[in-house]
Amino acid sequence: NAGVTQTPKFRVLKTGQSMTLLCAQDMNHEYMYWYRQDPGMGLRLIHYSVGEGTTAKGEVPDGYNVSRLKKQNFLLGLESAAPSQTSVYFCASSYARGLGNYNEQFFGPGTRLTVL
Amino acid sequence: AQRVTQPEKLLSVFKGAPVELKCNYSYSGSPELFWYVQYSRQRLQLLLRHISRESIKGFTADLNKGETSFHLKKPFAQEEDSAMYYCALSLSSNTGKLIFGQGTTLQVKP
Repeated sequence: NAGVTQTPKFRVLKTGQSMTLLCAQDMNHEYMYWYRQDPGMGLRLIHYSVGEGTTAKGEVPDGYNVSRLKKQNFLLGLESAAPSQTSVYFCASSYARGLGNYNEQFFGPGTRLTVL
Repeated sequence: AQRVTQPEKLLSVFKGAPVELKCNYSYSGSPELFWYVQYSRQRLQLLLRHISRESIKGFTADLNKGETSFHLKKPFAQEEDSAMYYCALSLSSNTGKLIFGQGTTLQVKP
């Protein structure tokens, strides 16, 4: 099993450009999450999903959109990138409550995004 | 407001010395707390959770509700313990959402 995968691994954008980050998991997890990691700030939740077709805002959702059309995929979109969105982005997934260790999140390898 | 605070950005110790990574939380409900670790060039992964009361790789953490703390301890640090450590608080069992602290880099010197 690949676990949680993220594409791309690295990306450089110019201000105003758009892009989509893809997260895929093969563990049949219900819950999926997008975080950003910044020095001194830890991991902050951008958006999350508790099931196919559902999404919700996290702590820092502005400037991002997400979609969960398939259970195994969770897409993070930047419509008009800004330098403040330069960060490392992590995707994670977990079981739903009552199934397995539902509160253990499994993380992807991260995507390093630079916005010039 | 819910919050997790890790006061030290960097903790540097010598091999064999005791280690304590501090974590304090603010939460009005019944807390569920975790420690996650990120080794160099590896993914972030769960180290331990307070409800299990387990020792993983020699690390333990006790939830102190009176002091609202969940410090991570190891009696004798090893070089392979060098990593970034995050304390995390579960907000809701219905969503699995976590709040992470700022992280502490542990550097174990030979």
